[in-house]
Amino acid sequence: AQSVTQLGSHVSVSEGALVLLRCNYSSSVPPYLFWYVQYPNQGLQLLLKYTTGATLVKGINGFEAEFKKSETSFHLTKPSAHMSDAAEYFCAVSASNDMRFGAGTRLTVKP
Amino acid sequence: DGGITQSPKYLFRKEGQNVTLSCEQNLNHDAMYWYRQDPGQGLRLIYYSQIVNDFQKGDIAEGYSVSREKKESFPLTVTSAQKNPTAFYLCASSIVGTSGGADTQYFGPGTRLTVL
Repeated sequence: AQSVTQLGSHVSVSEGALVLLRCNYSSSVPPYLFWYVQYPNQGLQLLLKYTTGATLVKGINGFEAEFKKSETSFHLTKPSAHMSDAAEYFCAVSASNDMRFGAGTRLTVKP
Repeated sequence: DGGITQSPKYLFRKEGQNVTLSCEQNLNHDAMYWYRQDPGQGLRLIYYSQIVNDFQKGDIAEGYSVSREKKESFPLTVTSAQKNPTAFYLCASSIVGTSGGADTQYFGPGTRLTVL
């Protein structure tokens, strides 16, 4: 069985600052890893995903994440936060047709 | 335009009533899912289906029922047996994963159910 832990239910950054959202996973087999974003009262939108190959994955809106097997981590980063990045972010792990989501991290961007 | 639609956007129900939430997709995906979202709890899987006329319970299936008569449609009924149905409900679809993990799930806009 797999699981996901997102460290920090709320993260606040200033506009232009680095965004770092943390995700650690547990999986007994090589996982697929995902980051989704959710704006208020909307569904989830895929930001990026890792399946195999290059461990640094680039996604939409300037986000990227690095798969680190030794640390069982898949942290999400963006060099410079924009006001429009304010949303809730979910990390997810899947193996053998079962996807598990973290509890989410709400990102606030201060002007 | 390919995508997933959910209706209605907002739904109000009196205690003791059953309600059905609609989910339709035109992505030609075999797999469909229903999740419940509560503040601070992420997404919890209610039911999923990987093929027409077949579906499996997720982690919190009690008080819910589904059907999968058509590939495009996966309606969710919230029954009166569901003790605390007020939540945001999300439908998703995907291709069926192969030897690796489950493939990307694509989400609808959600239905917010409130029990009065």
